[in-house]
Amino acid sequence: NAGVTQTPKFRILKIGQSMTLQCTQDMNHNYMYWYRQDPGMGLKLIYYSVGAGITDKGEVPNGYNVSRSTTEDFPLRLELAAPSQTSVYFCASSTGTGDEKLFFGSGTQLSVL
Amino acid sequence: LAKTTQPISMDSYEGQEVNITCSHNNIATNDYITWYQQFPSQGPRFIIQGYKTKVTNEVASLFIPADRKSSTLSLPRVSLSDTAVYYCLAVAPYSSASKIIFGSGTRLSIRP
Repeated sequence: NAGVTQTPKFRILKIGQSMTLQCTQDMNHNYMYWYRQDPGMGLKLIYYSVGAGITDKGEVPNGYNVSRSTTEDFPLRLELAAPSQTSVYFCASSTGTGDEKLFFGSGTQLSVL
Repeated sequence: LAKTTQPISMDSYEGQEVNITCSHNNIATNDYITWYQQFPSQGPRFIIQGYKTKVTNEVASLFIPADRKSSTLSLPRVSLSDTAVYYCLAVAPYSSASKIIFGSGTRLSIRP
C-alpha cells in the first residue's frame, strides 16, 4: 500500500531557482493538501484541492503554485526560490466524505541557499 | 473556529501511562476531536478520533467529558518508540481545509 508518495525526499536549491515537488496518492481521495513545517513548529497550509481542476489558497500561498489535473497528482511549484522557503513540505490527502482524516506523505526537505 | 491548547512538552519513562490533555473551550457542536502523531522526519499519522465519552483503539484511548471543553489522549505503557509530537485538532465534518489547523503540538519524550 503506497498511500501518499512524495518526491524528492531532499533537495537543495539556489536562490532564484525553481522546482516542482511531486505528490501522488493511490487511494482515490478527492481532497489533497500541501503543508510546510518549519523547525519546531506546526504545519501551515499552503494550498489545497477538493478535486481535479479545483484548487484554493491556504494560509501561506505566496511564492507557490499548484495544479490538479488528475485525482492522483497534486504537484507544488516553487518559482524564484527564496531562503524563507527552506522548510519540510508535506503532502496529504483525505476522502472528502466527512471524516477529515488526513493521510500524509513522508515529506520533502528543501533548503534554499 | 475551535482553537486547541496543549502542553508544549512532556517527559515520561518506559512502561508508564501518559496522558496528554487538550483544551478546547470554544468547541463547536459539530466538532470532532482528532489526534495525530508525528515521528521525526515523517508526516503526521492519524491515531484516534472521538466526539464524546471514551474511544479506544490499539494505539490509544481518548477521553472526552460531557462538556467537551477538554480531552485527554491516553497512551498505555509507553515505550521509547512513542517519542513523537502529538497534535490535537477540533474539526467538524466537511470542514474547509483552512479549518484543519495543526498547532505546535505536544512533544513527548520517553526515557529508558
